[in-house]
Formats: sequence, C-alpha cells, structure tokens
Amino acid sequence: DTGVSQDPRHKITKRGQNVTFRCDPISEHNRLYWYRQTLGQGPEFLTYFQNEAQLEKSRLLSDRFSAERPKGSFSTLEIQRTEQGDSAMYLCASGGGETQYFGPGTRLLVL
Amino acid sequence: AQKVTQAQTEISVVEKEDVTLDCVYETRDTTYYLFWYKQPPSGELVFLIRRNSFDEQNEISGRYSWNFQKSTSSFNFTITASQVVDSAVYFCALIPRGGGSEKLVFGKGTKLTVNP
Repeated sequence: DTGVSQDPRHKITKRGQNVTFRCDPISEHNRLYWYRQTLGQGPEFLTYFQNEAQLEKSRLLSDRFSAERPKGSFSTLEIQRTEQGDSAMYLCASGGGETQYFGPGTRLLVL
Repeated sequence: AQKVTQAQTEISVVEKEDVTLDCVYETRDTTYYLFWYKQPPSGELVFLIRRNSFDEQNEISGRYSWNFQKSTSSFNFTITASQVVDSAVYFCALIPRGGGSEKLVFGKGTKLTVNP
C-alpha cells in the first residue's frame, strides 16, 4: 500500500451539477478526514470518520455536502448543486494514531 | 480559540542559505500536538514532523531542525543549507486534545523559494 489515493484528481463541472469524490485511505488506518483548501490558504477541516461512523463535522459542511464511509474503508464526498464558491482542492487524509497522512487531492473547478 | 499564525507569507533564499520558518500557535488546551507539512507544487501535503505538548526537546533530521518553545507558543522550522528541492509551501498545524477533536488547524502557510 503506497498511501492515500483520491479520484478523480481533477474535476471541472458546471454550476448546479452534482459531483462525487472518492478517497481510499491507507489500509490499516481506521480514521479518515476530509479537508478543503482554497488558493493561498491552509486546509480547512470538513469532517472525520472513525471506521464507518462520522464523528465530527465542520460548520463549513453545508447541507449540500455529504460524506459517507459505508464499510469503514473508502469514503465518498458528494457536493450537490455546486456553486462557484465550491471551487477548491479537496484533500483526504487517513490516520491510525496522532498523525494524518494526506492524499494528492481532487481539484474542483466550478464554471 | 485555536489558531496557528505563520507571519511569513513568502521567503526567497539562494541555495545553501539557512532559512527559518516561524510558527506561533494559540490554544487553551494543555495537551496538544504540533505538526509541520510540506506542500510541493504537485499539491500533496507531506508530513514532516509531529511534537506533543509535553515534549519540548528540539529535533534534528538531516538538514531539518525544529525548535519548540512553550513559553513563547512557537514551533519554528529551520532548513540548513537549503536546496532547490526545498521549494514548497510549508504549513504548521495544531491538534488541540482537550475537547477530543481530531481537527487539524492549519496556518496559512509560508511559500519558500530556493533559487539556484
């Protein structure tokens, strides 16, 4: 296992469309995290799973956003009715202890 | 409130110079973890180091060293004899442990450019 993987790496969509991103964590890690990073800023926390349970959600996660981790392995992040302000890099991380290891990210552009 | 401040937005140095990246943090928790991550142009955040709040021992790893001082709430990062491959955005981050949160709180990052 070489690390956290994310798919797709890039996504261009039109405003109002739905998009879904996938994250595959490091296999032995039970914790999975989603962050969003806009240009010139540090990543901002969105949500966190321990196994299949979603334990923490940020106020940034509006009702258009939903995340799942159905079997405690991979996770999906869906954005419904995308807006131009959703354009960002979406980062996934996994961890088994105190350190979070990040994937390459999915860069979303909403036109 | 939890906050990480990286006052240096951009730093430019010439290869082989030493450079220090500053990080100041705020938290009311007595137990917390501090991190440094590197983000090269490819975009992936690479973990560099983790320190817990009870361990103020400084650490050296090759050309990298970290100075953790609780008295000034700082966790500075020094690169000795910088190289072009060190060019990246460096983020300092904090996880406060008092409320059981798993959220990493990041600074805004410092963009380091090492010129040949």
